[in-house]
Amino acid sequence: DTAVSQTPKYLVTQMGNDKSIKCEQNLGHDTMYWYKQDSKKFLKIMFSYNNKELIINETVPNRFSPKSPDKAHLNLHINSLELGDSAVYFCASSQEGGIRAFFGQGTRLTVV
Amino acid sequence: GENVEQHPSTLSVQEGDSAVIKCTYSDSASNYFPWYKQELGKGPQLIIDIRSNVGEKKDQRIAVTLNKTAKHFSLHITETQPEDSAVYFCAASIKGAQKLVFGQGTRLTINP
Repeated sequence: DTAVSQTPKYLVTQMGNDKSIKCEQNLGHDTMYWYKQDSKKFLKIMFSYNNKELIINETVPNRFSPKSPDKAHLNLHINSLELGDSAVYFCASSQEGGIRAFFGQGTRLTVV
Repeated sequence: GENVEQHPSTLSVQEGDSAVIKCTYSDSASNYFPWYKQELGKGPQLIIDIRSNVGEKKDQRIAVTLNKTAKHFSLHITETQPEDSAVYFCAASIKGAQKLVFGQGTRLTINP
């Protein structure tokens, strides 16, 4: 029943590894996002997809590569993980223009 | 680009009292202003939103006011209860921008 679900909830990995976070929404929304929340709780947009097409890439390093196989899924793959990538990553979906965005429960990524 | 400033960063009130959180935005083209509540270990949850053609909106104990001329909007919570304790975020969106820009968050603590 969960509107926006992302997996895994926790991810602990070593520097240099590659990891993926998966996200699925069942709300029928056309727009999906990835947000990053740092240790100070600041929420910042990373990517925005509309109907499987990349709309926004907010100067995120090339090591981060989102992939949208269909409009209900938006996955995030991260190559060569660095200590500074440690954060909570949130997937979200919304009606067009960010209206009524629903967020997943977050993935806490810890790079050691 | 859009910038959203939120104050205060922390707020402590006695149960039953009112709480007010204020935000200012920089881009006059912004036309959608949601408020999110984030509880520990969870994703942000939309609690109320307002569009630029409306000056005030109320939903039970929660209300939001918008002053377009001054470019600020506020969240008002009346008759606060312990379960209102959380981090609250304001956000702004420009029509067609496909993203929300968040304020820095306010940690609200309700003291019994």
